Amino acid sequence: DVVLTQSPLSLPVTLGQPASISCRSSQSLLYSDGNTFLHWLQQRPGQSPRRLIYGVSNRDSGVPDRFSGSGSGTNFTLKISRVEAEDVGVYYCMQGTRWPLTFGGGTKVEIK
Amino acid sequence: EVQLAESGGGLVQPGGSLRLSCAASGFTFSAFWMTWVRQAPGKGLEWLANIKEDGSDTYYVDSVKGRFTISRDNAKKSLYLQMNSLRVEDTAVYYCVKGNWGDYWGQGTQVTVSS
Repeated sequence: DVVLTQSPLSLPVTLGQPASISCRSSQSLLYSDGNTFLHWLQQRPGQSPRRLIYGVSNRDSGVPDRFSGSGSGTNFTLKISRVEAEDVGVYYCMQGTRWPLTFGGGTKVEIK
Repeated sequence: EVQLAESGGGLVQPGGSLRLSCAASGFTFSAFWMTWVRQAPGKGLEWLANIKEDGSDTYYVDSVKGRFTISRDNAKKSLYLQMNSLRVEDTAVYYCVKGNWGDYWGQGTQVTVSS
C-alpha cells in the first residue's frame, strides 16, 4: 500500500502569515495516463472533510485562492498564503493513483 | 447542490450487524463510483470500500474484507454498507463519499461497537 507521510503533525500559525504542509508518498503517484491523483482535504472542527485541491494543484469550486497545491512524483505541498481564522482544522492528503486509496495522517493547523 | 445523507448508525454489540445507507442527490448518481470512508475517534481517515457506477466492481480494505459489503441501488440513488461481525475497533464515524477522489462527503453516521 502507498504510505503518505505528512509533516508537520501540528502547525501553529499567526493570522495573516503563510503556512505550508508537506505530503510525501512511499511510491510515485504518477499514473500511466500522465495524471497524478493526489488531493488535499480540509476538516474543520466538528465537520466532515471537504476537498480543497484535486490532481495536485486544481482548486475546487469555492476554495479561496490563498490555497495552492504543488508537487510531483512523491513530494507534494499544500500552501496557505495568508492564514485566516476559518482555516483552523486538520488537513489531509489522499492518493487515488494506486489501490487501495490511502490518506496521510493529517496536519493540525491552529492559530498561535 | 450535491448532498449525501448517511443513516443507519448506532450502538451494537460485538459480533452484531448494521446496515448503513447513504441517500444521494444533486448529481447523476449512476455515473459515479462511490466510496465509504471511516474515522475512528480522534483518528485519521481510513478508506473502506468502493463500488463502480453499475455495481459490477467492488474493492475493500483488508481489515473489512469478508465482513463488510458495499452495494448500491441506482434507481433509488442510494449507497449501502452492510457490516457484519462487528468489532470494537470498528467504532467510528462512517462517511459516504462521491467518487474516488474525495469530491463530496456526507455528514457521517456514528457507529459504536460496545458491550
